[in-house]
Amino acid sequence: AQTVTQSQPEMSVQEAETVTLSCTYDTSESDYYLFWYKQPPSRQMILVIRQEAYKQQNATENRFSVNFQKAAKSFSLKISDSQLGDAAMYFCAHSGTSGSRLTFGEGTQLTVNP
Amino acid sequence: DAGVIQSPRHEVTEMGQEVTLRCKPISGHDYLFWYRQTMMRGLELLIYFNNNVPIDDSGMPEDRFSAKMPNASFSTLKIQPSEPRDSAVYFCASSLGAHTEAFFGQGTRLTVV
Repeated sequence: AQTVTQSQPEMSVQEAETVTLSCTYDTSESDYYLFWYKQPPSRQMILVIRQEAYKQQNATENRFSVNFQKAAKSFSLKISDSQLGDAAMYFCAHSGTSGSRLTFGEGTQLTVNP
Repeated sequence: DAGVIQSPRHEVTEMGQEVTLRCKPISGHDYLFWYRQTMMRGLELLIYFNNNVPIDDSGMPEDRFSAKMPNASFSTLKIQPSEPRDSAVYFCASSLGAHTEAFFGQGTRLTVV
């Protein structure tokens, strides 16, 4: 069974600074997909970034980038130039090739201080 | 497209009553997912459909829960009878492919008293 672990229940960052959210996962599959989703207080789940495990290059989306370490089964999210609107709960998720289900981590609550 | 549409946004019901949650996926999406979010268990998949066919229902907690997808544009999640421990936010999501971005609805907050 796949598991996803986020060891930081809460994180805080100053506006305009950089923050890194950690995520580790466990899977027996060699090919899979990893995601970071954001859930603001509106509770809408929004995709932040997606990584295919077969791609060695780390995914980036504007201020958001990942550090994907396949051997270590680590998938951290870096947010650069943090903005007040980045404040939300962030979920790391895994999807294996044997099915389409997303397995989510426990979430990290990010606070952005002005 | 208006995105994934769920109704109702909030539902309060008494223990023992039947509850039906509704979802309209994004047009053209072949996959539909039902997730439940609670403080204790986080986000967990209940069931998902591919082309209207249930593929994995291993997350459905018990026989009180049932889900249907009669056509490509509509799905329901029914709880009968409801219990207080079913109180949670229920999300519906849809995606174009097996591992592409899942678009979530705004969720239904269910409270069973």
